[in-house]
Amino acid sequence: QQQVKQSPQSLIVQKGGISIINCAYENTAFDYFPWYQQFPGKGPALLIAIRPDVSEKKEGRFTISFNKSAKQFSLHIMDSQPGDSATYFCAASKSAGNMLTFGGGTRLMVKP
Amino acid sequence: DAMVIQNPRYQVTQFGKPVTLSCSQTLNHNVMYWYQQKSSQAPKLLFHYYDKDFNNEADTPDNFQSRRPNTSFCFLDIRSPGLGDAAMYLCATSRQINQPQHFGDGTRLSIL
Repeated sequence: QQQVKQSPQSLIVQKGGISIINCAYENTAFDYFPWYQQFPGKGPALLIAIRPDVSEKKEGRFTISFNKSAKQFSLHIMDSQPGDSATYFCAASKSAGNMLTFGGGTRLMVKP
Repeated sequence: DAMVIQNPRYQVTQFGKPVTLSCSQTLNHNVMYWYQQKSSQAPKLLFHYYDKDFNNEADTPDNFQSRRPNTSFCFLDIRSPGLGDAAMYLCATSRQINQPQHFGDGTRLSIL
């Protein structure tokens, strides 16, 4: 049972556009939601994370929006750049000591 | 400077020949994780160590084992690699469970 569903699987955006990746979760006990960025041949790197006590978190061009009632969260990349082309994974975990559950990943391509 | 270091970056072994992958960290984190990542898929947790306590995921094959001789090092042993074990193996660390995980760049394992 996939507990974190991520969409779309792939995304093509023009340079300067907004990239939006969505995730939905099922387990209401999840209370930590990170996003990871992975370039080919590299390990995932933590990009930004949110806890459910806030509805939005912004770091530079990256924003997480969180909707607790809908059990959804999304990553917005403003002014997308070709250097943002990578695979993005959302994830979720519980504070009781359980592990990260990853979404299936989104391959983003930003065209110059 | 790399904080989670995996060696080697690429490993080739023969079908059925034991292989060991290594991971070291300079972060002095309590938790170390091993993930398997196949092409175009999310990382899949194999097991983790909280200090010296080993925690195996329920669906991790018996073929996979791990050792953590000290805080800084953790090893992944594959006793009898099969063709299906060809993947990227990622090591990660976190200060505590449910805190941000820091990934190494992985070891890509090929099976001949």
